[in-house]
Order: sequence, then structure tokens, then C-alpha cells
Amino acid sequence: DQQVKQNSPSLSVQEGRISILNCDYTNSMFDYFLWYKKYPAEGPTFLISISSIKDKNEDGRFTVFLNKSAKHLSLHIVPSQPGDSAVYFCAACIGYNFNKFYFGSGTKLNVKP
Amino acid sequence: EAQVTQNPRYLITVTGKKLTVTCSQNMNHEYMSWYRQDPGLGLRQIYYSMNVEVTDKGDVPEGYKVSRKEKRNFPLILESPSPNQTSLYFCASSLHGTGPTEAFFGQGTRLTVV
Repeated sequence: DQQVKQNSPSLSVQEGRISILNCDYTNSMFDYFLWYKKYPAEGPTFLISISSIKDKNEDGRFTVFLNKSAKHLSLHIVPSQPGDSAVYFCAACIGYNFNKFYFGSGTKLNVKP
Repeated sequence: EAQVTQNPRYLITVTGKKLTVTCSQNMNHEYMSWYRQDPGLGLRQIYYSMNVEVTDKGDVPEGYKVSRKEKRNFPLILESPSPNQTSLYFCASSLHGTGPTEAFFGQGTRLTVV
């Protein structure tokens, strides 16, 4: 059973608007979360991360929000650009064993010009 | 240029024929890991290594072997491949310090077992 879930396989957004990608997890022991972006024929690349001691982390156009009580995190991209079109994976790990990462199934974002 | 290099990028093989997918990183990272990506399942961790001669199982280790004899290399070995191992494989590396850090991924190896 997947411990990290991305329930939306795809999302389409107009250029300039906000993209919101969601991720849910079931293991309350997870305390570090990451988002990766993947273009076709390439490996995933790190985007942004958040520790469970925070509820928000920003990096330029990208912001990750963490709601521990709901076991939910989201990635906001503002404004969205066509170059953001990619598959986005969320991942989680437990601090005492940060060698084991659990990934969601990914959300394919399409930003329309 | 900092990178993780996997070879080959594409491989078609027959059931039972042993194969090795190589992975090499030039960033002096202690931590390396192998994942497979399947539709609807995302990336699942196969094996990981915290340093030379230290390896451990991930979520889906069955049918795979790894070795870490040198810091830069972490080959994935399929002793007797089966069709259910047809997948897209990624190798990753990262620094191993006091907490998790983002991983650098290779470009992937698409394996088909017929």
C-alpha cells in the first residue's frame, strides 16, 4: 500500500495562473518532504523540500505547504510558466532513517500558453 | 559537471539472462540508491547504500542485487531477469550528513525483459 499518494494524475493550468499540486501521506512518522520535477527522458530533479517543524517553505515561484494534522502537503507555483510543464513527484522520509524515501505516483502538469 | 551517469539508457533482454546496469557519480556522495518507476506507482526504492560496502534493502528488493565496492559506483544486478522487471530504472546519489538532502538522479535506464 502506497504511503505517499498523489491522487491527481494530471493538471492543466493557464500560463500566469497558480498551479496547485497535492500530496497526501499515511505514515505519521514522516518528517521530511521533498518535491521533484521530471521532464520526459530525464531523471527527476530536486525542486523544494520542507521539514515537519515548518508549515511553509518558499523558493522563488515555488511554495510548499505542510498540514501535519491532515497529513497533506501541496506545491504552489505562481505564476505558472510553460516551462513548468512536467511530472511532479512528492516524496517523504522519516528522520531517523532518511535513507528510505517514499514517492508518490506523480502529477503531470501542463501549463498552456 | 556534477552528474549521475547510468548505462545503458535502453536495454532489451530475454528472461533469465543476467544483466548489470551501471551507475556512477562524480560528486563524492556517500549515499546512492536505485529506484524503479512504473505507471501509477511512482518511484519505488529497490536498494540503497550509505557508503562503501554498506547496502540495504528498499521497498522492492526482490530479484535485484547491488554492490558498493567504490564510492562512485553502484551497479544494479539482475541475476535472472523476468518480465515483471520491465521498468524504468533510476539511480540517485546525495550527500549523507545529519539529515536528508535532495538527491541527484541519473537519466534513467529503460529495461524490457521478454
